[in-house]
Amino acid sequence: AQSVTQPDIHITVSEGASLELRCNYSYGATPYLFWYVQSPGQGLQLLLKYFSGDTLVQGIKGFEAEFKRSQSSFNLRKPSVHWSDAAEYFCAVATLSYSGNTPLVFGKGTRLSVIA
Amino acid sequence: EAGVAQSPRYKIIEKRQSVAFWCNPISGHATLYWYQQILGQGPKLLIQFQNNGVVDDSQLPKDRFSAERLKGVDSTLKIQPAKLEDSAVYLCASSTREGAYNEQFFGPGTRLTVL
Repeated sequence: AQSVTQPDIHITVSEGASLELRCNYSYGATPYLFWYVQSPGQGLQLLLKYFSGDTLVQGIKGFEAEFKRSQSSFNLRKPSVHWSDAAEYFCAVATLSYSGNTPLVFGKGTRLSVIA
Repeated sequence: EAGVAQSPRYKIIEKRQSVAFWCNPISGHATLYWYQQILGQGPKLLIQFQNNGVVDDSQLPKDRFSAERLKGVDSTLKIQPAKLEDSAVYLCASSTREGAYNEQFFGPGTRLTVL
C-alpha cells in the first residue's frame, strides 16, 4: 500500500529565509506526487505535481520540488519565504489504475510558521 | 469556472444524532471523492465515485456512514448515528476521468463538531 511520511510536524522560519519541507513516499511503481497547501478555514490548493520527465518541478507561488527516486523523496523548497506562506503543507501520492484516477494518499502535514 | 461547492460549512451536533453533507462537483467532472480530515492529520479517503457508481469505499465505516451520488452529479454523505470521533473536516473533491492522471479540485470542506 502507498504511504507518505512528512517527518516534520512544525517548522518555523524567518521571513526571507529559505524553506525545505521533507516528504518520503512508499510505493512500488513510479507514483504521481503532489504538494498541497491549506490555509486555516480553506480547502486544499495544489502547489505542484510530478508525473514524469524533469525531476525538478516548478509550482505556483515560487515553490519547487525535486523528485529523487533513489531516496523515495519529493521535497518542497522555496528560496525566500513570505509571511503569507504560513499554512499547512501536505505531500500526497496517487497512481492511475484501470478504472481511472486513484485517490490521493496524504501525509500528516507540516505546519509552517513564519516570523518577522 | 465554478469550483467544488459544499454545504454546510460548519455543523455542530450531539453524539448519536444524524447529519448530512452535500457536495456539488465541478461541472463535467465524472469522479467525486469524499475525504475525512481529522485535526492534525492529512485527509483520508472515505469513498470514491465514478459517475454514479462506487469505485472504492473500503475505508468507509459502513455501519454509520453512507454516501450516494444518484444522478452522477452532486453527492450526499450521511453519518447516523454520529460519534465523538467523527469530529473532523469533510472534504469533497472532483476530477475528470479521461486520459492521464487528472488533478483533484477540493471544496472548502464542512467542519463537523460532535459534542
